[in-house]
Amino acid sequence: QQPVQSPQAVILREGEDAVINCSSSKALYSVHWYRQKHGEAPIFLMILLKGGEQKGHDKISASFNEKKQQSSLYLTASQLSYSGTYFCGISGAGGTSYGKLTFGQGTILTVHP
Amino acid sequence: DTGVSQNPRHKITKRGQNVTFRCDPISEHNRLYWYRQTLGQGPEFLTYFQNEAQLEKSRLLSDRFSAERPKGSFSTLEIQRTEQGDSAMYLCASSLSGGPESEAFFGQGTRLTVV
Repeated sequence: QQPVQSPQAVILREGEDAVINCSSSKALYSVHWYRQKHGEAPIFLMILLKGGEQKGHDKISASFNEKKQQSSLYLTASQLSYSGTYFCGISGAGGTSYGKLTFGQGTILTVHP
Repeated sequence: DTGVSQNPRHKITKRGQNVTFRCDPISEHNRLYWYRQTLGQGPEFLTYFQNEAQLEKSRLLSDRFSAERPKGSFSTLEIQRTEQGDSAMYLCASSLSGGPESEAFFGQGTRLTVV
């Protein structure tokens, strides 16, 4: 039931773009994206709800594809501050409780100058 | 709003000892979650509270683990007779409600090392 994230790691130069995918074997109801830097708390980025909605702020956006049971996180014109591990958490899949999140294994993003 | 606060930040204990962690959620948040995170992995759900009621516990939570949230405010997570496998980061999160649109905010975590 754990979502699968891909790729496992990405290395970028400042200004480059990246896409991180999160796939579930069960029907998705909501997908939560977080970024975590080493030794720090996961920081909330955004939630996507069932309905194919696309969200974004600054140069980070995400989409939700119900048919594919997949969410994608898009980072454009990456900055050094984007470095960290990105986690997707799914909620409500397979009748489980909303709010309780099942996280993927994470994608390590490294941005170099 | 000071965010979610967890204490202590670090705890080193000998195998077999009991430890207790505290989480203070964002003040108006009704939901409180405990997760465990090991190196290189995403957080794993342990248990959650709606106000003072503990609504769900993961199979990961053995009998040695107990959590409380008296009066629906702060929460404590106790581990009895600690084992080396309990070494991990214990994260607390809170949200305003339990709906699919609820944003959960995490505390800094308590890093437990069992020696």
